[in-house]
Amino acid sequence: RKEVEQDPGPFNVPEGATVAFNCTYSNSASQSFFWYRQDCRKEPKLLMSVYSSGNEDGRFTAQLNRASQYISLLIRDSKLSDSATYLCVVGLMDSSYKLIFGSGTRLLVRP
Amino acid sequence: DAGITQSPRYKITETGRQVTLMCHQTWSHSYMFWYRQDLGHGLRLIYYSAAADITDKGEVPDGYVVSRSKTENFPLTLESATRSQTSVYFCASTGTGTYEQYFGPGTRLTVT
Repeated sequence: RKEVEQDPGPFNVPEGATVAFNCTYSNSASQSFFWYRQDCRKEPKLLMSVYSSGNEDGRFTAQLNRASQYISLLIRDSKLSDSATYLCVVGLMDSSYKLIFGSGTRLLVRP
Repeated sequence: DAGITQSPRYKITETGRQVTLMCHQTWSHSYMFWYRQDLGHGLRLIYYSAAADITDKGEVPDGYVVSRSKTENFPLTLESATRSQTSVYFCASTGTGTYEQYFGPGTRLTVT
């Protein structure tokens, strides 16, 4: 079983749609959570951290459910520029500062 | 503000050759990481470093060597390249106290 699992998609949605991605993680000791965005043939870039209370950044909302070991990302009013792969990322908060990356969910926003 | 850079950006080499990929960061981050990314596997950690002269293996270290004599540089060497090492290699860094990693632009390596 992968440590971080995501639906690979692709999710194909029209502009203006709301889309949600989910992610599960297997290690209950995980303490830090992120969503990264990766455009085709580019490096991953931090989109947002995910906090237990949930957090919002503009059109993006991230939620964490520790009991279910589940993380979500909601994108409202999708733009063409949101087309990318979204990586769910988990860290153990140990001295190594290592992160575990999911394989990513691909989003295609069409006109 | 260069941040984190990698060189070369593209490299084609032959099986059996030694190749070194360079990574340089200007933030004085303590932690640096090397990943490879292949279709179907996502990002996999090769090696990481907590500080100069401190390195440790990640998930897929076989066939790779690292060194870190200076905080800002973290070169990755393929001692004898194999076709299975054809991949995109990303370097990343983070400062102490935060888990947010920042990535370089990547090196696309092809081993023929």
